[in-house]
Amino acid sequence: GQQLNQSPQSMFIQEGEDVSMNCTSSSIFNTWLWYKQEPGEGPVLLIALYKAGELTSNGRLTAQFGITRKDSFLNISASIPSDVGIYFCAGPSNTGKLIFGQGTTLQVKP
Amino acid sequence: GAVVSQHPSRVICKSGTSVKIECRSLDFQATTMFWYRQFPKQSLMLMATSNEGSKATYEQGVEKDKFLINHASLTLSTLTVTSAHPEDSSFYICSARDRRGYQPQHFGDGTRLSIL
Repeated sequence: GQQLNQSPQSMFIQEGEDVSMNCTSSSIFNTWLWYKQEPGEGPVLLIALYKAGELTSNGRLTAQFGITRKDSFLNISASIPSDVGIYFCAGPSNTGKLIFGQGTTLQVKP
Repeated sequence: GAVVSQHPSRVICKSGTSVKIECRSLDFQATTMFWYRQFPKQSLMLMATSNEGSKATYEQGVEKDKFLINHASLTLSTLTVTSAHPEDSSFYICSARDRRGYQPQHFGDGTRLSIL
């Protein structure tokens, strides 16, 4: 079935550093979503991408929908302590269900 | 923006108890809601798709008699964990999708279920 491979699995960075994480698939997705989940809470939508090649920003976050429609990346610039959490990529499957990547755990050292 | 409310946020109860979790879409109508389960340090695992006015669709390996789903209105779906046991302890999260065309799913804040 369709799968999303997300990397890296975890990151431990210094405050102020930039962060990059990506998601790849062997199959095509028509939509890419990036969510952030903080401990004890549900995922919150950060960025939604609907078109191949699309580059979208949300504050310090930037995400791109790969031209091949098989990958996407999320960048966070000038990280701050509140960026800590788990970041998930997700995309709707052929049946409409949402498929999630394994998540990238981000820790930021002040 | 779209808001999904989930209640309760935390439940601690004895083994054998049935527990009901509610998921409400507050400012939009959702013909479809989804129930997920999440174990520590893992991704979300879809349990079932809840369809308003019809039976839920369960993922492979999920017992429908154990996890009862009711979606009686366009803004409310409930998940009942029947005769819960310690192995049912987990973080349960719902999501809802706006019925007006395609929109990303929006998630509730989750319910931490602990069975003693």
